[in-house]
Amino acid sequence: GAVVSQHPSWVICKSGTSVKIECRSLDFQATTMFWYRQFPKQSLMLMATSNEGSKATYEQGVEKDKFLINHASLTLSTLTVTSAHPEDSSFYICSAQSGRVRMQFFGPGTRLTVL
Amino acid sequence: DQQVKQNSPSLSVQEGRISILNCDYTNSMFDYFLWYKKYPAEGPTFLISISSIKDKNEDGRFTVFLNKSAKHLSLHIVPSQPGDSAVYFCAARHFGNEKLTFGTGTRLTIIP
Repeated sequence: GAVVSQHPSWVICKSGTSVKIECRSLDFQATTMFWYRQFPKQSLMLMATSNEGSKATYEQGVEKDKFLINHASLTLSTLTVTSAHPEDSSFYICSAQSGRVRMQFFGPGTRLTVL
Repeated sequence: DQQVKQNSPSLSVQEGRISILNCDYTNSMFDYFLWYKKYPAEGPTFLISISSIKDKNEDGRFTVFLNKSAKHLSLHIVPSQPGDSAVYFCAARHFGNEKLTFGTGTRLTIIP
């Protein structure tokens, strides 16, 4: 149980385009989802926390207009990187947590490369 | 401000021996600590956790020790196996807050 999927697993896009990444909890309802970014050989940095049906809470320094997060259902959250630039190239990982168990289950991640 | 630190970026251990990974934290409000294992291009997978009311938690080959006064925790893996080769992250959270703060990771290599 507690499987989280992400789609796509990797994406290459041109600078200036927008990219949407999906995060799904497959076998449980996720009241809270988290989005992280990891640069090479660095730690996972929390970008934002989203609760189903409400606006995401962004960490300091993360542009909410650039990284749009939607948590429309208890099994799906999306992260849209708008007007992507090469510096947005990174590994994006989501995690999901149910209200009953205070444990985050992580997705496999999405490698974004912006040319 | 790195609140959770793993000072050893890499560690090599002979198969069958004990692997000890260390983690230090600065925020005294942290009350729950977790260890995750991560392979390249994959998300972290949970290994073991410990609450601040305990000083030790064991699960099979994995044991986590917590020294609150020193703000230090360690993960012991014994015996180490080749499949343990991965990057290990410690993470922490504090009561009432679901956010995890991750350390910088330690790459563990088990030598056959």
